[in-house]
Amino acid sequence: DGGITQSPKYLFRKEGQNVTLSCEQNLNHDAMYWYRQDPGQGLRLIYYSQIVNDFQKGDIAEGYSVSREKKESFPLTVTSAQKNPTAFYLCASKPGTSDSLYGYTFGSGTRLTVV
Amino acid sequence: QQQVKQSPQSLIVQKGGISIINCAYENTAFDYFPWYQQFPGKGPALLIAIRPDVSEKKEGRFTISFNKSAKQFSLHIMDSQPGDSATYFCAAGTGTASKLTFGTGTRLQVTL
Repeated sequence: DGGITQSPKYLFRKEGQNVTLSCEQNLNHDAMYWYRQDPGQGLRLIYYSQIVNDFQKGDIAEGYSVSREKKESFPLTVTSAQKNPTAFYLCASKPGTSDSLYGYTFGSGTRLTVV
Repeated sequence: QQQVKQSPQSLIVQKGGISIINCAYENTAFDYFPWYQQFPGKGPALLIAIRPDVSEKKEGRFTISFNKSAKQFSLHIMDSQPGDSATYFCAAGTGTASKLTFGTGTRLQVTL
């Protein structure tokens, strides 16, 4: 089955640590996205990539970094510079050129907690 | 700057009733308006979407109404069922929707 796989489902980070969230898709989608979800704040865009080896900052990129070395993969690193990283992180993908009414396909998310 | 305002924050509807969720946007460049449904612990899933060249789109029990002049759009869920209990997000984007802006979400509970 085609889809987006996010791992791990739950992640605990100590203060001052960097952690990397995995996102893999087998949908052959060109564009990939990372969103952060907090209660009452909806989904906020962290980074997005429309093509391999290229990515753009979203609305809340500070304290995060990404890479896009392969079409299928778009890992997100939460660095120690992110002061409030506890949240639910969602990865999404979308075909690059087809009708956008197909919308985004989301993964099942990673819940990150600072301990 | 919040570009898509969604209301209400939460909604309780009896089984068989109509659920109505409203969104308003500011950016007149938006030309793509999807709605997503999210169950607890899961990622959102596309429910229905509309472009501003039509005022209404219906898919089963779900209808989007769009008012371009008022810069508002809404989701109507007819004959609401307990299985519809979820969080609903409106969103807006431009062109090929390379980037979507989401509303803050509405938590819907359908009671028996």
